[in-house]
Amino acid sequence: GENVEQHPSTLSVQEGDSAVIKCTYSDSASNYFPWYKQELGKRPQLIIDIRSNVGEKKDQRIAVTLNKTAKHFSLHITETQPEDSAVYFCAASITGGGADGLTFGKGTHLIIQP
Amino acid sequence: DADVTQTPRNRITKTGKRIMLECSQTKGHDRMYWYRQDPGLGLRLIYYSFDVKDINKGEISDGYSVSRQAQAKFSLSLESAIPNQTALYFCATSDGFDDREGNEQFFGPGTRLTVL
Repeated sequence: GENVEQHPSTLSVQEGDSAVIKCTYSDSASNYFPWYKQELGKRPQLIIDIRSNVGEKKDQRIAVTLNKTAKHFSLHITETQPEDSAVYFCAASITGGGADGLTFGKGTHLIIQP
Repeated sequence: DADVTQTPRNRITKTGKRIMLECSQTKGHDRMYWYRQDPGLGLRLIYYSFDVKDINKGEISDGYSVSRQAQAKFSLSLESAIPNQTALYFCATSDGFDDREGNEQFFGPGTRLTVL
């Protein structure tokens, strides 16, 4: 089955700096890669996703890049703000499209230092 | 607003007890999922369902069972709870609109289960 590795487990950055979280996956059949943000005590919420026919996607301060050859994808947050503090999870579809569910990384605790 | 809800939100039970966690959704989605979250382990898929007649095991289905009572309701049961089933349980839904490219999953608020 699919296996997703996520690094780092904890990331502390100064407010205003950029943050990068990296994930690798094992199954070349995976074609859907969402990123979820989970604030303390809350449910995971999708912040951005990318599909395998796209190499990069941007949404304001957030961007995701995908390298299918190397089987890795990354989340980039620029101009970090205190409200970006949360746990971030990458995921990959177990089968094409994610119909059979998602395999998640173990999460990155992002801490924004004032 | 259309939403995914879970009951109970918190539950403490004893080893050996049977317990049911319920999930309801008003999103009109066909697909429903149960995940378990443990600290430092991310979320892991327990079971998923495409409709009331289609139930599938996920990565960690042992010790769990599910029931899809209607399109909008998907229940997770622990027949005989054990302490290592203490976790945060999330239900999720998706619409299956774009199977080829990927469908967003929407999560419920979670049920925190403690087995003593």
